[in-house]
Amino acid sequence: GENVEQHPSTLSVQEGDSAVIKCTYSDSASNYFPWYKQELGKRPQLIIDIRSNVGEKKDQRIAVTLNKTAKHFSLHITETQPEDSAVYFCAASKQAGTALIFGKGTTLSVSS
Amino acid sequence: KAGVTQTPRYLIKTRGQQVTLSCSPISGHRSVSWYQQTPGQGLQFLFEYFSETQRNKGNFPGRFSGRQFSNSRSEMNVSTLELGDSALYLCASSVTSGDTGELFFGEGSRLTVL
Repeated sequence: GENVEQHPSTLSVQEGDSAVIKCTYSDSASNYFPWYKQELGKRPQLIIDIRSNVGEKKDQRIAVTLNKTAKHFSLHITETQPEDSAVYFCAASKQAGTALIFGKGTTLSVSS
Repeated sequence: KAGVTQTPRYLIKTRGQQVTLSCSPISGHRSVSWYQQTPGQGLQFLFEYFSETQRNKGNFPGRFSGRQFSNSRSEMNVSTLELGDSALYLCASSVTSGDTGELFFGEGSRLTVL
């Protein structure tokens, strides 16, 4: 079955810096790659997603890149702010809207 | 529109007991998936249901089971509880047709096994 590896497990940056989180997946049949943000004590929420027919997608300060050949995708957050502090999960599935296989998460801390 | 509702929110059980958790999806969502969240392992996929049928299953022992009803509500059951089953159990619902792929999560049921 699918396996998703996520790095780093923790990431500390200064406010205004960029943050990059990387994930690799094992199943070449996976076609949908979302990123979820989970703040302390809250439920995970989708922040951005990308499908296999797209190489890059951007939404304001957040961007995701996908290299299907290498089976890896990355989350880029620019101009980080303290409210970006949370746990970020990457995930993969064969079809959007179906169950996800998650990475183990990255705890991002943004200090002001 | 009401979000995903999970009950109970908190529960304490002892080893050997069983537990049933409930999940009511967003109205119109027919897909429900369950996840176990622990500090060391992140979000681990348990199973997925669509139209009362189990569509996919994660790598968990047979003590973990689930079902989905005709109104899309879902339950999961854990029998013969072990200390290691202590976790936050999250369910998520989604629309599996159209362009959207977002899973909407409930607040979870926090299970403590003593």
